[in-house]
Amino acid sequence: EAGVVQSPRYKIIEKKQPVAFWCNPISGHNTLYWYRQNLGQGPELLIRYENEEAVDDSQLPKDRFSAERLKGVDSTLKIQPAELGDSAVYLCASSFRDLAFFGQGTRLTVV
Amino acid sequence: EDKVVQSPLSLVVHEGDTVTLNCSYEVTNFRSLLWYKQEKKAPTFLFMLTSSGIEKKSGRLSSILDKKELFSILNITATQTGDSAVYLCAVRGNTDKLIFGTGTRLQVFP
Repeated sequence: EAGVVQSPRYKIIEKKQPVAFWCNPISGHNTLYWYRQNLGQGPELLIRYENEEAVDDSQLPKDRFSAERLKGVDSTLKIQPAELGDSAVYLCASSFRDLAFFGQGTRLTVV
Repeated sequence: EDKVVQSPLSLVVHEGDTVTLNCSYEVTNFRSLLWYKQEKKAPTFLFMLTSSGIEKKSGRLSSILDKKELFSILNITATQTGDSAVYLCAVRGNTDKLIFGTGTRLQVFP
């Protein structure tokens, strides 16, 4: 069974440019998370979906970040415009009941 | 505010040593505690604990939860260089949010 799939694996962009990340969760997992992880820190939640509904986006910087979950399956996270401080690893996870599994992550570097 | 605190932040040992990683938490209506191993980018699932006093074991790794004292430990016996990684602890409460600690960076030298 395929795990959580994320793309791209790496992305380097100039500040003020837009960027998008894609996540395909494990089949049957209704809950999907986007986390951001800065160097030396634990993952921090950006947004959580239950099916297609965003049930917790309190930590999402809504002035520049947006997310959607298409038909309750795949999800995209967008940053527009990117800032230098957005450089981090962006992790997607999906869960069924309380077990959560992560994708490979996207390492974003903003220069 | 819900929080997870891991200690130590960093640990350096030699192959064959046994290590104990700690995770203490404060969360409303605790549901579960999860341990992950993060070698590069992706955290990989190790254990999920929901009940006190029941040890989960996988090879040289084991973990136990104390819901009264609000902590968990992760033990690794006979460490190998391949155990070098960041070990993350996460806790889930009634909001279904998974809250992570900052992790413990383990380095195992030959």
